[in-house]
Amino acid sequence: DIQMTQSPSSLSASVGARVTITCRASQTITTYLNWYQQKPGKAPKLLIYAASSLQSGVPPRFSGSGSGTDFTLTISSLQPEDFATYYCQQSYNFPPAFGQGTKLEIK
Amino acid sequence: QVQLVQSGAEVKKPGASVKVSCKASGYTFTTYDFSWVRQAPGQGLEWMGWISAYSGNAKYAQKFQGRLTMTTDTSTSTVYMDLGSLRSDDTAVYYCARAPSVAGAPDYWGQGTLVTVSS
Repeated sequence: DIQMTQSPSSLSASVGARVTITCRASQTITTYLNWYQQKPGKAPKLLIYAASSLQSGVPPRFSGSGSGTDFTLTISSLQPEDFATYYCQQSYNFPPAFGQGTKLEIK
Repeated sequence: QVQLVQSGAEVKKPGASVKVSCKASGYTFTTYDFSWVRQAPGQGLEWMGWISAYSGNAKYAQKFQGRLTMTTDTSTSTVYMDLGSLRSDDTAVYYCARAPSVAGAPDYWGQGTLVTVSS
């Protein structure tokens, strides 16, 4: 099975800051990488699919990049509503595992 | 608009089974697949399995083989997740999610169903 590792596990940042979260796959997944945002008590929300494609309705301050084994999610200017937990997920092969999550908190 | 509405919270005893439903609306049911994902309290997301709404074919994560069954009812646009031989560590919120294919990213999610396993 492919293992997905996110870093950092948590981070604190201020409103307006630029933030980057990293996701690494244990083997190549080309660009079969998705990013989700989850707020407490809510279902995950798809942000980015196929490594860099922005899901409809998601603000353009969110962007994704990478291919192969290394990927990043960048939030260009943090807004109060962005404080949440972020998960990456590979959909290259079965089973489509998630990373362990990155909790983004307000500084 | 696309909606996935799941059944309500359940409390089960160890060894029992639970069946969670997920009713889809706002699109043609058989044109998308479904994944089930669970989240134990305070933990991350765990992918459980996938089912094609068109064919009924399903694939399950190895750890659930033998006690997980996913089915669909196209007449009611509903997908079901049946988990048996419940243990305390099956206590979690269970989510259904619509996906374009087994490899596609789930784009719409149900609200989640809390299943509590306790004696």
